[in-house]
Amino acid sequence: DAGVIQSPRHEVTEMGQEVTLRCKPISGHNSLFWYRQTMMRGLELLIYFNNNVPIDDSGMPEDRFSAKMPNASFSTLKIQPSEPRDSAVYFCASSTPGSSYEQYFGPGTRLTVT
Amino acid sequence: AQSVAQPEDQVNVAEGNPLTVKCTYSVSGNPYLFWYVQYPNRGLQFLLKYITGDNLVKGSYGFEAEFNKSQTSFHLKKPSALVSDSALYFCAVTSGGSYIPTFGRGTSLIVHP
Repeated sequence: DAGVIQSPRHEVTEMGQEVTLRCKPISGHNSLFWYRQTMMRGLELLIYFNNNVPIDDSGMPEDRFSAKMPNASFSTLKIQPSEPRDSAVYFCASSTPGSSYEQYFGPGTRLTVT
Repeated sequence: AQSVAQPEDQVNVAEGNPLTVKCTYSVSGNPYLFWYVQYPNRGLQFLLKYITGDNLVKGSYGFEAEFNKSQTSFHLKKPSALVSDSALYFCAVTSGGSYIPTFGRGTSLIVHP
């Protein structure tokens, strides 16, 4: 299994631009999580999908952030417009709750907003 | 509400010595406990978990953790540390009623040659 796949691995953009991060979960996993990691705030859960449906988006910082999961094998996290304070590493993770619970993380996308 | 505390930001240990990374938790109901490791510029990697059964759980790379219900702790241990164990370690908790884990702040483990 290829594991969780994220793209791009690195993204540098200017303030005000739209940014789209992509994630392909492990096949057969029915839960998907988006996290943000910074030195100051640690690891923060942004949104959780189960069976492609958003279950908990209370961690999404503000309306500039949106996430979709159109099918079981693909999810996007979009930031529009981006701001310098959005600079962080964004991780996607997938799991099969109800059976094993542990999460499998992708390699992350390092976002820099200048 | 559920929470995790990792009281040490950093743990230093000499290679070959035993290591312990501490974790305490708070959760309603039966806890499901996890340890993850993060190497530089990588995603978190699952090490081991406690769901039920034996309080001593063995995981990857020679790590183990002991579930202590009375002390609400789940400390990570290894009998003999390697320099390659140097990384950031995260403890996480959830319960059977929630699929969303709460992660600790992480503990940086530094193993000196």
